[in-house]
Amino acid sequence: DIQMTQSPSSLSASVGDSVTITCRASQAISNYLNWYQQKPGKAPKFLISSASTLQSGVPSRFSGSGSGTNFTLTINNLQPEDFATYYCQQRYITPPYTFGQGTKLEI
Amino acid sequence: EVQLVESGGGLIQPGGSLRLSCAASGFSFSTSWMHWVRQTPGKGLIWVSRINGDGTSTDYADSVKGRFTISRDNAKNTLYLQMNSLRADDTSVFHCARANSYGFDSWGQGTLVTVSS
Repeated sequence: DIQMTQSPSSLSASVGDSVTITCRASQAISNYLNWYQQKPGKAPKFLISSASTLQSGVPSRFSGSGSGTNFTLTINNLQPEDFATYYCQQRYITPPYTFGQGTKLEI
Repeated sequence: EVQLVESGGGLIQPGGSLRLSCAASGFSFSTSWMHWVRQTPGKGLIWVSRINGDGTSTDYADSVKGRFTISRDNAKNTLYLQMNSLRADDTSVFHCARANSYGFDSWGQGTLVTVSS
């Protein structure tokens, strides 16, 4: 199975800051990488597909990049509603669909 | 609006069985791949199982193979997960999710399963 490793596990930032979350795959996955956002007590929300394609309705302050084994999620001009946990997920070899362990973005 | 609402969770003793349901609305359920994904505080999101639109193709994570069975009733727009031989490490919030060609584009809020004596 392909293992996904995110860093950092948690991150503190302020409104207006820019942050970057990293996701590393245990083997090359081309750009078959998704990002999700989850707020406490809520369902995960699909943010980015294919490493860099924003889903409908996702603000442009979110961006994703990467290919192969290294990927990043960047959030510019952090807004209060962006404080959440973020997960990466590979869809290169499935099943199983594997997720990173999550990055908690805190104020 | 796509809606997925899980039910059926609860407290169950080790070795017991439970059936989860996921009621779907707002989309063409019978043509959608559906998945179960579980979530624990310590291990995050873990994919469990998937089923194709007409129910003829299923897959499972190794950790649940032989114990869990995914199924669906397209007439009722409902997805199921039959869980047998439950273990303490199955304790999780179970989410159902719809998949498109790229990822899990809709999720339910989940139902909590606690396996404990």
